[in-house]
Amino acid sequence: EAGVVQSPRYKIIEKKQPVAFWCNPISGHNTLYWYRQNLGQGPELLIRYENEEAVDDSQLPKDRFSAERLKGVDSTLKIQPAELGDSAVYLCASSPRTGPSPGYGYTFGSGTRLTVV
Amino acid sequence: GESVGLHLPTLSVQEGDNSIINCAYSNSASDYFIWYKQESGKGPQFIIDIRSNMDKRQGQRVTVLLNKTVKHLSLQIAATQPGDSAVYFCAEKVSGNTGKLIFGQGTTLQVKP
Repeated sequence: EAGVVQSPRYKIIEKKQPVAFWCNPISGHNTLYWYRQNLGQGPELLIRYENEEAVDDSQLPKDRFSAERLKGVDSTLKIQPAELGDSAVYLCASSPRTGPSPGYGYTFGSGTRLTVV
Repeated sequence: GESVGLHLPTLSVQEGDNSIINCAYSNSASDYFIWYKQESGKGPQFIIDIRSNMDKRQGQRVTVLLNKTVKHLSLQIAATQPGDSAVYFCAEKVSGNTGKLIFGQGTTLQVKP
């Protein structure tokens, strides 16, 4: 079974430029999460999708961040314009249904490491 | 939030010794906890979980202990191996919350050969 696939693995951009990250969750997983992980910190939730619906985006900085999950499968997270403080690893995770599955939790992708210069 | 557990940012152990990683969680209403392992350049990997109605759960070479009185979680790794070197995170899920995991501070485990 393929895991959660994210691309690109690394991205370096200048501040004020736009950037997008892509996530392909595990097949059949209805719930998809985007987390941001700052250097030396634990991941923090940005947004959660149930199928194609964003059901928790309270932590998403909506002035510059946007996300979509068309058709309830792949998802894209966008930042426009990027700021220096956005430098972090952006992780995507998925689970079969709402909440972590016992004995399984969520499955995380390898993340996209964003550097804004 | 209040932190009562002893959290060490870095833990260095000799290969073959047992490791204990501690975590203080923040919310008394949390009903589910997970330990994740994160190697450099990779996403967090599930190790073991425990529900709040339990105080101990064992896996292969790993044991999680939960003390709800002091909101403390620990991960014990038996016979630590070089492949165990990584950053370890605890995560909690608040009861009634529909899926959000709150991650704690990570502990870097270094295994000396």
